[in-house]
Amino acid sequence: GAGVSQTPSNKVTEKGKYVELRCDPISGHTALYWYRQSLGQGPEFLIYFQGTGAADDSGLPNDRFFAVRPEGSVSTLKIQRTERGDSAVYLCASSLDPQGPDTGELFFGEGSRLTVL
Amino acid sequence: RKEVEQDPGPFNVPEGATVAFNCTYSNSASQSFFWYRQDCRKEPKLLMSVYSSGNEDGRFTAQLNRASQYISLLIRDSKLSDSATYLCVVNPFTGKLIFGQGTTLQVKP
Repeated sequence: GAGVSQTPSNKVTEKGKYVELRCDPISGHTALYWYRQSLGQGPEFLIYFQGTGAADDSGLPNDRFFAVRPEGSVSTLKIQRTERGDSAVYLCASSLDPQGPDTGELFFGEGSRLTVL
Repeated sequence: RKEVEQDPGPFNVPEGATVAFNCTYSNSASQSFFWYRQDCRKEPKLLMSVYSSGNEDGRFTAQLNRASQYISLLIRDSKLSDSATYLCVVNPFTGKLIFGQGTTLQVKP
C-alpha cells in the first residue's frame, strides 16, 4: 500500500527481553518520526530522522532505546531489557517537509502495540 | 510545564452544538501549528493546519494568537461523526512536532 506500514501490529514480551519494531515510511518522505502513546495521552516524541541521520533524539527516554534508519527509508526502533513501563503504542510517521505548514503533515502508521508482562 | 497544553475534557455536546477547544504552547519560536484528529484506537490524522490569519474548512475554524501563544479550534453544527480526540500540535521549528494530550469530544444524539 501507499501508506506508512508498521510491524508487528502487536507484540507481547516478557520483562527483560529485547524488542524490535519496524517502520516502512511513504516512499519519497525524507523525514521519519517515532512517537509512543500511552492510554489517555497524546503521542510523545521519541526521535526524528532526516534521511539516514537522527536529527533529534531528545525524546528517547534512556539508553535502552535506540533507532536506526540505515538507508534513509525503513527504520527500526530497538528496545533493550524491556520494562513494564515501556508498554504503549509505538507510532511511526513520515513527512515530506517537517518545517512547512502546508507540507508538514505527518502520515502515521497504525502503530505497534507493545505489552511487556 | 508541558510544551503543549490542552484540556483533556471530555466535552459532551448535543448534535448541532458549537464547541471550541483551546490549546497553549510554551515555545514562542514555534512556527507551524496543526490540529489532528484521532479516533478511538486509530492513528492520528491531520484535520487542518493553523495559519496566523485564521482559517476555515467547512464547519471547522482554527485560529492562532501568537502574542498569547494560544490556538483554538471551533466546530459548528456538531455531528455524531465528530466524536473523537482532537490533538493540538506545534512545531517549535526544530523539525519535531509536539502533541498535546488531546481533548475528547463526544457528540450525543
